[in-house]
Amino acid sequence: DAGVIQSPRHEVTEMGQEVTLRCKPISGHNSLFWYRQTMMRGLELLIYFNNNVPIDDSGMPEDRFSAKMPNASFSTLKIQPSEPRDSAVYFCASSPGAGKFLGNIQYFGAGTRLSVL
Amino acid sequence: RKEVEQDPGPFNVPEGATVAFNCTYSNSASQSFFWYRQDCRKEPKLLMSVYSSGNEDGRFTAQLNRASQYISLLIRDSKLSDSATYLCVVTQREYGNKLVFGAGTILRVKS
Repeated sequence: DAGVIQSPRHEVTEMGQEVTLRCKPISGHNSLFWYRQTMMRGLELLIYFNNNVPIDDSGMPEDRFSAKMPNASFSTLKIQPSEPRDSAVYFCASSPGAGKFLGNIQYFGAGTRLSVL
Repeated sequence: RKEVEQDPGPFNVPEGATVAFNCTYSNSASQSFFWYRQDCRKEPKLLMSVYSSGNEDGRFTAQLNRASQYISLLIRDSKLSDSATYLCVVTQREYGNKLVFGAGTILRVKS
């Protein structure tokens, strides 16, 4: 299996621009998670989906952030408009899902390193 | 109070040393426990699950104390390649698959 695939790996943009991050989870996994990691705040859960349905978006910092999962093999995290304080590494992770053997274990993608100038 | 607390370190140890990390969690309803490892500029990766009876995987031993709500990780015979950040992780039943990550403990193994 190719693992969780994220794109782009690096993104540099200017303040005010729209940024879209993409994630392809591991095939067969029912849960998908978006995290943000910074030196100051560590790893923060932004939102997660079960069977393509958003379950908990309480970690989404504000309305500028939105996430979608149109099907089981694809998700996006969009920031519009972007701000310098959004600069961070954004990770996507997937897991087999509740009720499955070791369903809680999450497998992370390599991340997208975002710099907003 | 943070849900999962770890000593940030860094722990600087020589090769061959034994090092132990502890982690405490605040929610007594926590169900599953893990240690993840994160190398510099890489993604977190599962190191091992932590079971109530304790478990061992080669040089790594994990223990869980539910009464005191803490988790430990012991690394024996440290290698240079063990240098990384170790993240303590818990889940709670009411949050389904949601993982709560500690801030991590930095380990530096030196020759």
